[in-house]
Amino acid sequence: DTAVSQTPKYLVTQMGNDKSIKCEQNLGHDTMYWYKQDSKKFLKIMFSYNNKELIINETVPNRFSPKSPDKAHLNLHINSLELGDSAVYFCASSQGGVPYEQYFGPGTRLTVT
Amino acid sequence: AQTVTQSQPEMSVQEAETVTLSCTYDTSESDYYLFWYKQPPSRQMILVIRQEAYKQQNATENRFSVNFQKAAKSFSLKISDSQLGDAAMYFCAYRRRGGSEKLVFGKGTKLTVNP
Repeated sequence: DTAVSQTPKYLVTQMGNDKSIKCEQNLGHDTMYWYKQDSKKFLKIMFSYNNKELIINETVPNRFSPKSPDKAHLNLHINSLELGDSAVYFCASSQGGVPYEQYFGPGTRLTVT
Repeated sequence: AQTVTQSQPEMSVQEAETVTLSCTYDTSESDYYLFWYKQPPSRQMILVIRQEAYKQQNATENRFSVNFQKAAKSFSLKISDSQLGDAAMYFCAYRRRGGSEKLVFGKGTKLTVNP
């Protein structure tokens, strides 16, 4: 069974469009995250939610809006897509308490043309 | 702010040999966790090994072991008996103690394993 799943795995779209990426975890974790991996493979946190509440909101354009309908789901909606948004977006989850490791989804490769 | 530095953008090793990947970090915290993640071409992020800062003993997972030097803020990964399947990007990551803390990643080291 897939622990952290993301849909879609690939997304190709044009500038100016609005798109969403969905994430679901079946691990019973209470915290979920979005990370962005750029073209140079650098991974950086974007958001995190704990029990549906926003905990971390790094310096991300407000065109990016996360939504957590319940603690098993964390979606990422992106408005007015730009070329620079092209990247791989990873969802991850963790459970409060040791050992604090995060489990990652397979990633969504977003290409904006 | 915490930072993680991987000074080796690329490394190569012969199959069955040993290789060490370097990682240093900067933090003012005393309690934290360190991780090595592997990202093969499939792009899935796979946890290789973790180390709790309060533990002096270096973590070991089969062929993977770390050399954790807390005072020097150094956290290197040693891969013994390298296999072709070890070829991947390796990321060092830091996390403060706390349930909802983020991972701070280094820029990664691309490991090539030569047959």
